Amino acid sequence: NAGVTQTPKFQVLKTGQSMTLQCAQDMNHEYMSWYRQDPGMGLRLIHYSVGAGITDQGEVPNGYNVSRSTTEDFPLRLLSAAPSQTSVYFCASSYSGQGAYEQYFGPGTRLTVT
Amino acid sequence: GQNIDQPTEMTATEGAIVQINCTYQTSGFNGLFWYQQHAGEAPTFLSYNVLDGLEEKGRFSSFLSRSKGYSYLLLKELQMKDSASYLCAVTGYGQNFVFGPGTRLSVLP
Repeated sequence: NAGVTQTPKFQVLKTGQSMTLQCAQDMNHEYMSWYRQDPGMGLRLIHYSVGAGITDQGEVPNGYNVSRSTTEDFPLRLLSAAPSQTSVYFCASSYSGQGAYEQYFGPGTRLTVT
Repeated sequence: GQNIDQPTEMTATEGAIVQINCTYQTSGFNGLFWYQQHAGEAPTFLSYNVLDGLEEKGRFSSFLSRSKGYSYLLLKELQMKDSASYLCAVTGYGQNFVFGPGTRLSVLP
């Protein structure tokens, strides 16, 4: 099993450009999520999904879109990049249901917006 | 609202014991997780508590008191490789995690 994979590992964008961060998992997990990590602020939830066709906003959704057309994939789209979106982005997945389950994290995408 | 607090930085000596505290205020409680994150890497799961008490896993133990909104992670026989950030995360309703700011632990020889 590859677990959770993310591409690209590094990306530099100019202000106003758009791009898609890719995330895929091969563990048949229903739940998938996107976080951003900034120094001193911990991981903050951007968007999440509890299954194919179902997505919802997290704590910091502005400027980002998601879709979930398959169980395996959960791409994150930056519509018009801003310097405030410079961050490390992590995708995570887990089982879903009654109770709480550990989340498995991808290796991260380091994004710089100039 | 939801709030999770951890010390920003801690330092300890190789072979010693260190306790990292986490306090939380959340609407609903479904469990508390501890993750380890080495610099430049992804977080990896360490432990999970849903009931009050101590969970032990080798050199790592985690304690939870739901009435006090308090948890700690205990690391024994510290090794240099334990130098990392330790993240406390709480689930309220559903599967969404709320993470604390993380505690950066430096282990000195």
